[in-house]
Amino acid sequence: KQEVTQIPAALSVPEGENLVLNCSFTDSAIYNLQWFRQDPGKGLTSLLLIQSSQREQTSGRLNASLDKSSGRSTLYIAASQPGDSATYLCAVPPGGQNFVFGPGTRLSVLP
Amino acid sequence: ETGVTQSPTHLIKTRGQQVTLRCSSQSGHNTVSWYQQALGQGPQFIFQYYREEENGRGNFPPRFSGLQFPNYSSELNVNALELDDSALYLCASSLVPGLGTNEQFFGPGTRLTVL
Repeated sequence: KQEVTQIPAALSVPEGENLVLNCSFTDSAIYNLQWFRQDPGKGLTSLLLIQSSQREQTSGRLNASLDKSSGRSTLYIAASQPGDSATYLCAVPPGGQNFVFGPGTRLSVLP
Repeated sequence: ETGVTQSPTHLIKTRGQQVTLRCSSQSGHNTVSWYQQALGQGPQFIFQYYREEENGRGNFPPRFSGLQFPNYSSELNVNALELDDSALYLCASSLVPGLGTNEQFFGPGTRLTVL
């Protein structure tokens, strides 16, 4: 059974810092991994989708990497801003079916 | 292109009642998945519908049921509501079910409170 964990559970940083969020999964037989952002009480916004054949994906200040063999993904946020404050979730589809989500990392960027 | 929409945004019910939540998929998407997200946790997969048929189900009891209509919109029905059913219910649509590039796009959610 696929299990997804995220470290840290919460993170508070001053504006302008670069930061890394970690995601680990137990079953490396994945088709892809997706990172989401969730604002309080809201739905999920897709940030990046990494296919299993890819090592990383970039979108603006965000860079996500994937290491299937070690069951890890990282989300790198450059030059953080207060608007980046949200919960970040990673998710993997076991066997290509629907996503198993991690519990999320709650990020606060202080002005 | 229209995104995923859900209704209602908020709902308050009492134990034992029944509830229906609705979702319209993103334009061109024929697959809808439903998730339950309890406070402080990641979403949990309830079930998926593809071309009006259930196409996978998570660890939820039969009182959670669904429908998909020919226009690919979907409903989630929950009977005999329990206090633990209080959660944010999320709908996601995708172009195809299952394998490969099944990027999912989520709606804003319906917040259900059971008293």
